[in-house]
Amino acid sequence: KAGVTQTPRYLIKTRGQQVTLSCSPISGHRSVSWYQQTPGQGLQFLFEYFSETQRNKGNFPGRFSGRQFSNSRSEMNVSTLELGDSALYLCASRDGTSESTDTQYFGPGTRLTVL
Amino acid sequence: AQRVTQPEKLLSVFKGAPVELKCNYSYSGSPELFWYVQYSRQRLQLLLRHISRESIKGFTADLNKGETSFHLKKPFAQEEDSAMYYCALRPGATNKLIFGTGTLLAVQP
Repeated sequence: KAGVTQTPRYLIKTRGQQVTLSCSPISGHRSVSWYQQTPGQGLQFLFEYFSETQRNKGNFPGRFSGRQFSNSRSEMNVSTLELGDSALYLCASRDGTSESTDTQYFGPGTRLTVL
Repeated sequence: AQRVTQPEKLLSVFKGAPVELKCNYSYSGSPELFWYVQYSRQRLQLLLRHISRESIKGFTADLNKGETSFHLKKPFAQEEDSAMYYCALRPGATNKLIFGTGTLLAVQP
């Protein structure tokens, strides 16, 4: 099976703009989670979607939002970009049928730079 | 508070030496703990999870609830073990992972 894919891989934006990142999970996986990785804060959970519904949300401002489509693909949107939003954004997918045995598979990430 | 602490940013050992990457957690319930690894230019991937009680690539980790620790160990380090290692906690009934800040393991020849 093809792994988790994320597009674009690199993105440069300026403050105040908005950005949309995309994640295609492994075929058959229904759960998609998003993480932000920065040198200062490390890996932080943003949110998780399962069957088009947000199931969990991390401690991020409302500027960070997401959605999931019927084919399980997910998008993450950040509005009114700030310099501190510069980070590697990781997407992870899992089957979603069993909490105890599922493995999360991570994508390569999208490197967002805010100027 | 739910927290994962990895006290060492960098651990440098010689090939063949034992390795112990430390991980301590703070969680009031029954934790589910994981070790993830990221090799150079590769994706973050699961190394092992405590409920599986298995050894992967010679690594083992035992959950010690009394000391709230989940240290990763390997008796004889190999150069190919050089990577970034992250300890992670999954609070019950959620799928979010709380990661530690990671430890870079450098195995010298």
